Amino acid sequence: ELKVEQNPLFLSMQEGKNYTIYCNYSTTSDRLYWYRQDPGKSLESLFVLLSNGAVKQEGRLMASLDTKARLSTLHITAAVHDLSATYFCADAKGSEKLVFGKGTKLTVNP
Amino acid sequence: NAGVTQTPKFRILKIGQSMTLQCAQDMNHNYMYWYRQDPGMGLKLIYYSVGAGITDKGEVPNGYNVSRSTTEDFPLRLELAAPSQTSVYFCASSLVTGELFFGEGSRLTVL
Repeated sequence: ELKVEQNPLFLSMQEGKNYTIYCNYSTTSDRLYWYRQDPGKSLESLFVLLSNGAVKQEGRLMASLDTKARLSTLHITAAVHDLSATYFCADAKGSEKLVFGKGTKLTVNP
Repeated sequence: NAGVTQTPKFRILKIGQSMTLQCAQDMNHNYMYWYRQDPGMGLKLIYYSVGAGITDKGEVPNGYNVSRSTTEDFPLRLELAAPSQTSVYFCASSLVTGELFFGEGSRLTVL
C-alpha cells in the first residue's frame, strides 16, 4: 500500500527565514511530485522529480529526491508572504494512481 | 486552451438525491482522475481512467460511478447522496502518470 507522509503538517514562519518540508514515501518509486494549493483554489504542479538525486529549483523553492532514503524535501529560502499556501507531495510508483500526502499548510508572517 | 473544466462549481444536494459532476479536458490526455478533498485529509482518489472505455476504482469509490465514453469527458455520478459525500471534488488529467492538471474544483454540500 502506498503511503505518503509529510511533516510538518502546519508551518508558521517569518519572512526571510529558511525552512524545509519533508515527504516520506513507502515505495521504491523513483518519481516524486510536488503541488501547491492556494486557499479555495485548485492544485498546480510545482516540481516533477524523476530520478534519485534529482534537484529542481524555482525561485525560493528547491525540491530534491533521495530514493534510497525514500525522502523528498522542499526547501524554502528567505520566505516571502506570497509563498503562503498548502504544499502536497505525491507518489505513484509507476502505477496510474497518484497518492497524495496530507499537505503542509505554510503561513509566512511579516 | 481551457485545460480541465469542471461543472458545477457549487451544488447543494438533499440526502438521497443524485447528481453528475461534469469534467472535460481539451489537452488530449489519456489519463483522467477524480479526487475528493476533505479538510486536513489531503486528496483521496475516487476513480480514474487510462483511456476511453477504461475505468478503475481508487481508494474511496463507494457511492460513486464513472464512465469514459470519449477521451475528453469523465463525468462522476453520485447516487443517493449522503452527508459523508460533502466535499470538494477535483477532476484532473495527465499525459503521463504523475504530472496532473487539475480543474477548479466542485464544492458539494449534502444536507
